[in-house]
Amino acid sequence: GENVGLHLPTLSVQEGDNSIINCAYSNSASDYFIWYKQESGKGPQFIIDIRSNMDKRQGQRVTVLLNKTVKHLSLQIAATQPGDSAVYFCAEFNQAGTALIFGKGTTLSVSS
Amino acid sequence: DAGVTQSPTHLIKTRGQQVTLRCSPKSGHDTVSWYQQALGQGPQFIFQYYEEEERQRGNFPDRFSGHQFPNYSSELNVNALLLGDSALYLCASSRGQGMETQYFGPGTRLLVL
Repeated sequence: GENVGLHLPTLSVQEGDNSIINCAYSNSASDYFIWYKQESGKGPQFIIDIRSNMDKRQGQRVTVLLNKTVKHLSLQIAATQPGDSAVYFCAEFNQAGTALIFGKGTTLSVSS
Repeated sequence: DAGVTQSPTHLIKTRGQQVTLRCSPKSGHDTVSWYQQALGQGPQFIFQYYEEEERQRGNFPDRFSGHQFPNYSSELNVNALLLGDSALYLCASSRGQGMETQYFGPGTRLLVL
């Protein structure tokens, strides 16, 4: 079935460190994945996306890696800042391509 | 360029009442999806509207209904409210059909007493 999950519910890092947030998915037919950041009391904010024909995509301070062989996604945040503290969700589309399916999220805490 | 907007930001209702939540999509977007997010969980898909029609529905009862207007804005209605309907209701907009990035609004926090 369709399922998107995250390996760790919480991650604590020091300011300036690099952070890696992991996500496993079960639908091998998934074509498109999105990472969202959600701060307390706000809606999810788009960070970066990747389609299944790519292995890696880079943005500003963020990189998403996709390993289709083991059905694994990761979000790497370089030089993590206190403002990066939030809950991070990976999401994939359902087979109809309409609904996003979210995992439970990883809470990133950055201490200075 | 205005992003996705939702109203109201917070709402308190009692069991059995009905509620209407509103969403205006991002400029240039014509598709609106609604999600329910319980505390500590990821958003759960309720339904999606495109060209004023419900395109797909998630695993939610008929008490949840919606509407999309010609200007692409949308409403979510919930009848006969239950305590378990307390959640953050999120609207997301996207462009056209197919797997396009969905951008979320700030949400409406609904508390049912």
